[in-house]
Amino acid sequence: DQQVKQNSPSLSVQEGRISILNCDYTNSMFDYFLWYKKYPAEGPTFLISISSIKDKNEDGRFTVFLNKSAKHLSLHIVPSQPGDSAVYFCAAFNTDKLIFGTGTRLQVFP
Amino acid sequence: EAQVTQNPRYLITVTGKKLTVTCSQNMNHEYMSWYRQDPGLGLRQIYYSMNVEVTDKGDVPEGYKVSRKEKRNFPLILESPSPNQTSLYFCASSLRELSGEGGYTFGSGTRLTVV
Repeated sequence: DQQVKQNSPSLSVQEGRISILNCDYTNSMFDYFLWYKKYPAEGPTFLISISSIKDKNEDGRFTVFLNKSAKHLSLHIVPSQPGDSAVYFCAAFNTDKLIFGTGTRLQVFP
Repeated sequence: EAQVTQNPRYLITVTGKKLTVTCSQNMNHEYMSWYRQDPGLGLRQIYYSMNVEVTDKGDVPEGYKVSRKEKRNFPLILESPSPNQTSLYFCASSLRELSGEGGYTFGSGTRLTVV
């Protein structure tokens, strides 16, 4: 049973435009939602998180939006840069467990 | 430098031959965890540990063992590896109170192939 779902396995965006990565979840008890970025041959690195009591968190070019009623969150990257090309994992945290989605591969082309 | 170190980075082994993947962190983190990454399945948790001598099963513990005798080390043991354990493995650690806010630090991964 996949509690955290990323339905788009890949996304291609032109440099300078907005990238929107989506994530859905099923468990309303999650406390935090996080996005991790992963380059090939490296471990995932933390990007941004949002508490379940908020609906938006912003950090530079990265903004995460949380819609609790729809059990949906999204990551916006504006403007997208070629260095943003990576696999992005959505994750949800509850009681010492971090549960990951399947990942979305973002490619930013010039 | 604060880091999580996994060894080896790459390993090819035969079915049934016991192996251990080591994980060590130098940040005095209480929480440590093992994940495996498989195509189309994302990162799935194998085992986790909230402190020394405290371990618990994740979502896919079958065929794996762990131990936490010291705070800094959290080895992953495959007593009798099988081909379905061919995967990319990641160790992670975190301060307990920062776990939900993204305080996880991941190692660089161990690519295991069981033939």
